[in-house]
Amino acid sequence: TQLLEQSPQFLSIQEGENLTVYCNSSSVFSSLQWYRQEPGEGPVLLVTVVTGGEVKKLKRLTFQFGDARKDSSLHITAAQTGDTGLYLCAGAVAQGGSEKLVFGKGTKLTVNP
Amino acid sequence: NAGVMQNPRHLVRRRGQEARLRCSPMKGHSHVYWYRQLPEEGLKFMVYLQKENIIDESGMPKERFSAEFPKEGPSILRIQQVVRGDSAAYFCASSPQRGYNSPLHFGNGTRLTVT
Repeated sequence: TQLLEQSPQFLSIQEGENLTVYCNSSSVFSSLQWYRQEPGEGPVLLVTVVTGGEVKKLKRLTFQFGDARKDSSLHITAAQTGDTGLYLCAGAVAQGGSEKLVFGKGTKLTVNP
Repeated sequence: NAGVMQNPRHLVRRRGQEARLRCSPMKGHSHVYWYRQLPEEGLKFMVYLQKENIIDESGMPKERFSAEFPKEGPSILRIQQVVRGDSAAYFCASSPQRGYNSPLHFGNGTRLTVT
């Protein structure tokens, strides 16, 4: 079973459209991170959210951490072709006696010109 | 280049051979993490090391896989007697301190293909 479920798995939109991707779990996370990964490269951290209900903005990207710290969303306004990539959420959770960073499978976003 | 360096970028091994993957963390980072990524999958935690210590290896297969982070030199992920199922992208990440509130900096991975 996947601890973090990301939806949708694939998303193809036109440049200029808005979109939201989701990261859901039944577990509580001490913090949650969003990464973007491009083909052939490693993930790059976009943001870390720590407090339930927290909202962070990074230019056209808005990240929200759920009040119960079990879920998160990423909203992109006026998407650009440069936003194309795999968006991964990752939650820090106690597992097996130690804290681990657990990743979802990602949302593969394609922004078409 | 002060980023996390992984080499080789691509590695092809025949079944039964050994694979050695190297990771040099960012300058000043003493915490190293190894993850494995299969196509259409997220990253799966394998092992967390500090200099000369394995802190958490709960994600490592019990056999054939080992990791080290010596006092000097890069961290090494070693896979003995590789099988086709070991084919994947292996990513290393480093951080300056323990815990996940400080960001992980990832390398660009080693893509292992077992023929």
